[in-house]
Amino acid sequence: DQQVKQNSPSLSVQEGRISILNCDYTNSMFDYFLWYKKYPAEGPTFLISISSIKDKNEDGRFTVFLNKSAKHLSLHIVPSQPGDSAVYFCAARGNNAGNMLTFGGGTRLMVKP
Amino acid sequence: DAGVTQSPTHLIKTRGQQVTLRCSPKSGHDTVSWYQQALGQGPQFIFQYYEEEERQRGNFPDRFSGHQFPNYSSELNVNALLLGDSALYLCASSLALASVEQYFGPGTRLTVT
Repeated sequence: DQQVKQNSPSLSVQEGRISILNCDYTNSMFDYFLWYKKYPAEGPTFLISISSIKDKNEDGRFTVFLNKSAKHLSLHIVPSQPGDSAVYFCAARGNNAGNMLTFGGGTRLMVKP
Repeated sequence: DAGVTQSPTHLIKTRGQQVTLRCSPKSGHDTVSWYQQALGQGPQFIFQYYEEEERQRGNFPDRFSGHQFPNYSSELNVNALLLGDSALYLCASSLALASVEQYFGPGTRLTVT
């Protein structure tokens, strides 16, 4: 069973507009949620995280929103830039010992100039 | 400051063989996790090492084993390779077991023929 799901395999956005990437989860015991960006031939790069006790975290052009009642989180990128084109993964950490991450399947973002 | 490094970059093995992948964590990090990323999917947690012991394990068979050395570097061993083991193997390091953020290496692409 997929505990973390990204239902949109791809998203295309015009440069300067907002990109919204979505993620759903089923396990209410996750204590942190993270977003990673991945370019081809590179490992995932950490972007931003949010604690399960918060509903919003902002870092520059990136904002993550968490809706615990809906078990849904989203990553907003404003404004989108061509260099943002990559695969974005949503990940969740369980609150047991250790920091094992459960990943979604990823969303490929294409930002058109 | 060197990030997470992995070797080799690419590897081709035959079904039934054994393989060893290597990882050096980011400077100062003491916790190493291994993930398997199949084509078109998100990374899946294999196991995590801290203080030279396996601390958490994902849903992978005993054919997958690992080791952590006193200098915090780690190895992933896979015995009796199957075609389905073909994937990108990612190593991630973090500072302490409970740290939220994990830094990923570029991965080792394993192809089993």
